[in-house]
Amino acid sequence: NAGVTQTPKFRVLKTGQSMTLLCAQDMNHEYMYWYRQDPGMGLRLIHYSVGEGTTAKGEVPDGYNVSRLKKQNFLLGLESAAPSQTSVYFCASSYRVSGANVLTFGAGSRLTVL
Amino acid sequence: DAKTTQPPSMDCAEGRAANLPCNHSTISGNEYVYWYRQIHSQGPQYIIHGLKNNETNEMASLIITEDRKSSTLILPHATLRDTAVYYCIVKSNSGGSNYKLTFGKGTLLTVNP
Repeated sequence: NAGVTQTPKFRVLKTGQSMTLLCAQDMNHEYMYWYRQDPGMGLRLIHYSVGEGTTAKGEVPDGYNVSRLKKQNFLLGLESAAPSQTSVYFCASSYRVSGANVLTFGAGSRLTVL
Repeated sequence: DAKTTQPPSMDCAEGRAANLPCNHSTISGNEYVYWYRQIHSQGPQYIIHGLKNNETNEMASLIITEDRKSSTLILPHATLRDTAVYYCIVKSNSGGSNYKLTFGKGTLLTVNP
């Protein structure tokens, strides 16, 4: 049981390049999320999914696209990377326990855009 | 979602109890109190949650005041590995967005040897 796995862990891009971050969970969770974290700030929600085939925008969705073709995978895409997208990206999935919604996070993907 | 207020930083001696406060004076009846922590460079980790009653698990205890306007996370015997940013989050368990948690800046707990 690996939990939430993010790949790659590190990536350097040039402005304008594209890339995809992959998040995989083996816990059969319905909900999945992508957050970004910048120095001195809390986590900000980019996009999320409430089930296979569904996605929705979070607080800071501009410049990103997502897909959830399979329940266990949630992909975050950058079509044309910008320096402002330099950040640490965290994926999470969630389940309900005692009526509440508990998130399990991955270890993070550090992206630098030059 | 109710707003939460936490001190930006706290210190604790190793082996002593760490008591982290959180104010959520506008909390409503169906909102849970969640605590997560983030050790440097790692993903956030769930610690505990509660609605009205005090809760305890293998990691910590959560004490919620009777009026539910504040809570305290207690790490009974802090170790150096407990040094982290601790986030207190209040969120309803119903409605269309109950699964989206908003993380503020939290409290940086430093456990000193």
